[in-house]
Amino acid sequence: NAGVTQTPKFQVLKTGQSMTLQCAQDMNHEYMSWYRQDPGMGLRLIHYSVGAGITDQGEVPNGYNVSRSTTEDFPLRLLSAAPSQTSVYFCASRLQSTGELFFGEGSRLTVL
Amino acid sequence: GENVEQHPSTLSVQEGDSAVIKCTYSDSASNYFPWYKQELGKRPQLIIDIRSNVGEKKDQRIAVTLNKTAKHFSLHITETQPEDSAVYFCAADNFNKFYFGSGTKLNVKP
Repeated sequence: NAGVTQTPKFQVLKTGQSMTLQCAQDMNHEYMSWYRQDPGMGLRLIHYSVGAGITDQGEVPNGYNVSRSTTEDFPLRLLSAAPSQTSVYFCASRLQSTGELFFGEGSRLTVL
Repeated sequence: GENVEQHPSTLSVQEGDSAVIKCTYSDSASNYFPWYKQELGKRPQLIIDIRSNVGEKKDQRIAVTLNKTAKHFSLHITETQPEDSAVYFCAADNFNKFYFGSGTKLNVKP
């Protein structure tokens, strides 16, 4: 099992550009989620999904879109990047019946 | 929504000493409380967790206690080792939304 795979690992964008962070898991987990990590602020939930076709907002959803068309994939879209979205992004998944979140390696995004 | 506060933000101990990190939460509906360890440049990894129907859980040198009435939970690391140096995060699961504390940077001095 590869676990949770995120791409790209690094990305530099200009203000106003769009991009998609990819997240895939091969553990058949129902639950998938996206977090951003900023210095001194821990991890903050952006969006999450409890199954294919179901998504919901987290703590900081503004400026981000998600979709869940399959169990395996949960992409995060930035439609018009802003410098405030410079951060490290983590995707995580888990079985609904258990608690443990499994994290991807992270994606470092810089918006100039 | 839920609010999780974590203290201290930094903790420095001598090798072999114990370390305690404390978290409080605001919503009594939260029912699952994990602790994650994150080494520099790496992903967070679960080290221990506790559910709301349990008061204490131990795994070798690591233990977690939960006081539902006071809405606080704590991580205890005994006999600390240099490899315990990392940032530790507490979290609360509130209806599938995870709220994380701001982290504690633990430094274990040899």
